[in-house]
Amino acid sequence: AQSVTQPDIHITVSEGASLELRCNYSYGATPYLFWYVQSPGQGLQLLLKYFSGDTLVQGIKGFEAEFKRSQSSFNLRKPSVHWSDAAEYFCAVGANTDKLIFGTGTRLQVFP
Amino acid sequence: SQTIHQWPATLVQPVGSPLSLECTVEGTSNPNLYWYRQAAGRGLQLLFYSVGIGQISSEVPQNLSASRPQDRQFILSSKKLLLSDSGFYLCAWSPRTGITTEAFFGQGTRLTVV
Repeated sequence: AQSVTQPDIHITVSEGASLELRCNYSYGATPYLFWYVQSPGQGLQLLLKYFSGDTLVQGIKGFEAEFKRSQSSFNLRKPSVHWSDAAEYFCAVGANTDKLIFGTGTRLQVFP
Repeated sequence: SQTIHQWPATLVQPVGSPLSLECTVEGTSNPNLYWYRQAAGRGLQLLFYSVGIGQISSEVPQNLSASRPQDRQFILSSKKLLLSDSGFYLCAWSPRTGITTEAFFGQGTRLTVV
């Protein structure tokens, strides 16, 4: 069965600093990978997704993620964080099923 | 365009009372439908998913049940709520393609059982 691990529960960065959120997955074949963002009390919004092809994918709000098969990782990056990026971020993995499995999330705090 | 509606936004219910949360999708046909529960520090736990009317898959044994009486309607229910049922419940849909594509989420229901 597929699973997702987000090892960082809480990350704090200064505005303008770079950001990397970690995501590791477990799945026996090529997974479908997603990053979502959630503002407090809201639903989830898709940031980006990887299905196949170029391992570096671009998303909305200036985010990107890189799929590394050898490390079973799909880390999310942003070169310069804005205060409005403060939220909770979820990595998710899908497969040849109808299920989307999420990690436990990383809460991002941004200091001015 | 497709939209997903989930209600109510907030709910406070006493222990032992019944529960009914409703979710509807507009602008698409034959969607996959999902109920997730979010608890602090535990991410999103998949509770139920459905690939068609009357077809419900349960991911975890629990006090809750789900039904899909119409193609674009998904209902989460309980006959008797427990304190442990408190949480943030999210409904989602995805296109039915045979593989997992991205899911689109409703705004969630904050359930507090007192």
